[in-house]
Amino acid sequence: DIQLTQSPSFLSASVGDRVTITCRASQGISSFLAWYQQKPGEAPKLLIYAAFTLQTGVPSRFSGSGSGTEFTLTISSLQPEDFGTYYCQHLHSYPRAFGQGTKVEIK
Amino acid sequence: EVHLVESGGGLVKPGGSLRLSCAASGFTFSDYSMNWVRQAPGKGLEWVSSIDRTSNFRPYADSVRGRFTISRDNAENSLYLQMNSLSAEDTAVYYCARSEYSGSISYYDYWGQGTLVTVSS
Repeated sequence: DIQLTQSPSFLSASVGDRVTITCRASQGISSFLAWYQQKPGEAPKLLIYAAFTLQTGVPSRFSGSGSGTEFTLTISSLQPEDFGTYYCQHLHSYPRAFGQGTKVEIK
Repeated sequence: EVHLVESGGGLVKPGGSLRLSCAASGFTFSDYSMNWVRQAPGKGLEWVSSIDRTSNFRPYADSVRGRFTISRDNAENSLYLQMNSLSAEDTAVYYCARSEYSGSISYYDYWGQGTLVTVSS
């Protein structure tokens, strides 16, 4: 089974900061990776799919990169509404897996 | 507009059973694979099961295999999760999610609001 490890688990940043979250896969998954944002009490929301493709309607300050085993989600200029927990998910094979999440706090 | 609405959650005793439903609207349900994902209180997301368009392929997480059964009724635009032999470890919010594809790469583009299952005596 493929495992995903996200880092950091928690980050606190100021509005306007550039934020980067890393997701590492235990084996190569090509570009079969998605990123989701989840706010408290809400369902996850798709941000990025196929490692770097921005979902329709998602602000352009979000971007994804990587392939194989290492991936990053970058928020170029953190906004107040970007608080929440971010998850990566691989869709390379079954069982699907999510990273453990990265909680983003706005200072 | 795509809508996914889960129902059927509630309080159940250990060893009991529950059947979750997910009502889909706003898209041609039979054209899409579907998924169940759960989230224990204060924890991360866990993939539970998926089902393809014709119900021919239904993989499960190791944690639920043999106890949970995913199914769908394309005529009723509904997804189901039959959960048997429930334990406290199954306590979670259960989400249904739609699979979309970009070429061969899939992703979950729409999610329901979730239904809470609590397993407790």
